[in-house]
Amino acid sequence: AQSVTQPDIHITVSEGASLELRCNYSYGATPYLFWYVQSPGQGLQLLLKYFSGDTLVQGIKGFEAEFKRSQSSFNLRKPSVHWSDAAEYFCAVGLNTGFQKLVFGTGTRLLVSP
Amino acid sequence: DSGVTQTPKHLITATGQRVTLRCSPRSGDLSVYWYQQSLDQGLQFLIHYYNGEERAKGNILERFSAQQFPDLHSELNLSSLELGDSALYFCASSVTAGSIDTQYFGPGTRLTVL
Repeated sequence: AQSVTQPDIHITVSEGASLELRCNYSYGATPYLFWYVQSPGQGLQLLLKYFSGDTLVQGIKGFEAEFKRSQSSFNLRKPSVHWSDAAEYFCAVGLNTGFQKLVFGTGTRLLVSP
Repeated sequence: DSGVTQTPKHLITATGQRVTLRCSPRSGDLSVYWYQQSLDQGLQFLIHYYNGEERAKGNILERFSAQQFPDLHSELNLSSLELGDSALYFCASSVTAGSIDTQYFGPGTRLTVL
């Protein structure tokens, strides 16, 4: 079955430090991959997506992610974290098996220390 | 702001009751998706409607039902509510249904069953 794994439940990063959030997927076909962010009490905001082409994708708020087929990974990165980045981050794989469906990982909560 | 609206923002009710959650998709989007976010199950896909027709069902209980109206807004009906139904319910919309498309999420409705 298709699945998405985010191995880190919590991550704490100092403000100004770099960030990498891990995401691994299990899916037989070429995946469509997404990163969403959820701030406290808010809905899900799309950060970036990968459908095809260049494996390094740029998103909003200075985030980027790299698709590595050999590792079944789609890790999210940011070179310098800001306090406002504290939120929960969800990786998702989009399935197109006759209908659309997003399968989400369990999320990684990012804490930013001063 | 994703352009997807959901009402109400919060809902508190008792076990055994029935509630209706409402979603208006982004202008021009024909697909509406419902997701449930709970602490124990994470983010789970419930159901997908496209232009008024049900296209796919996920982990949706028989006590739950949904519909999409001619003006494309959607309602999720939850009946015989149990404590375990307490969760954040998200609606998302996208333009198409037949291929993977970006889903834009609303702010969610937080349901508390007492």
